[in-house]
Amino acid sequence: AAGVIQSPRHLIKEKRETATLKCYPIPRHDTVYWYQQGPGQDPQFLISFYEKMQSDKGSIPDRFSAQQFSDYHSELNMSSLELGDSALYFCASSLGGLAGWGTDTQYFGPGTRLTVL
Amino acid sequence: GDSVTQMEGPVTLSEEAFLTINCTYTATGYPSLFWYVQYPGEGLQLLLKATKADDKGSNKGFEATYRKETTSFHLEKGSVQVSDSAVYFCALGADGLTFGKGTHLIIQP
Repeated sequence: AAGVIQSPRHLIKEKRETATLKCYPIPRHDTVYWYQQGPGQDPQFLISFYEKMQSDKGSIPDRFSAQQFSDYHSELNMSSLELGDSALYFCASSLGGLAGWGTDTQYFGPGTRLTVL
Repeated sequence: GDSVTQMEGPVTLSEEAFLTINCTYTATGYPSLFWYVQYPGEGLQLLLKATKADDKGSNKGFEATYRKETTSFHLEKGSVQVSDSAVYFCALGADGLTFGKGTHLIIQP
């Protein structure tokens, strides 16, 4: 079965540079979520999109932005990178994920490991 | 806000031992509850879920019951295997998930 695809899988950047992470959800899934997992930490929810509109917002820094496109793929744009941004970034997708519906299972991608030097 | 508390690890067991990983939560409303497993270097895989009180989620010998009265969702398995060694996350949510800190499970032969 098709899974969530993330690219790139690994990314190395310098401080103050920008990075763009891409996520391709499972076919027919209309909702995308982004999470950040620091070393040895639990995943922290950043932001989600349903039908190309932002549906929920978590602890996403102002330096980061994201969007969902008409083909449902999503991109996370990160600017002015800091050392503390080094982490695994996961994308997840689900079907019909408006906040409050509550039952839709999120399927996670393999993650993008971002290293900021 | 919502929060999840799960037992800290690492938890080390011998093969075929009984496993319990405790998870309690605080939440507004009645969110769905999940257990995800993460193997080294990999993403999160859904292990099981429950969507309402008294629901029991089960998969691959693992079980957890949504207990509203004790706000708990403890993970259990009757006989663990070496291949169960991984980090287990309890989570809740209606949109963005809130995760516990994770429990590192080590199963020794």
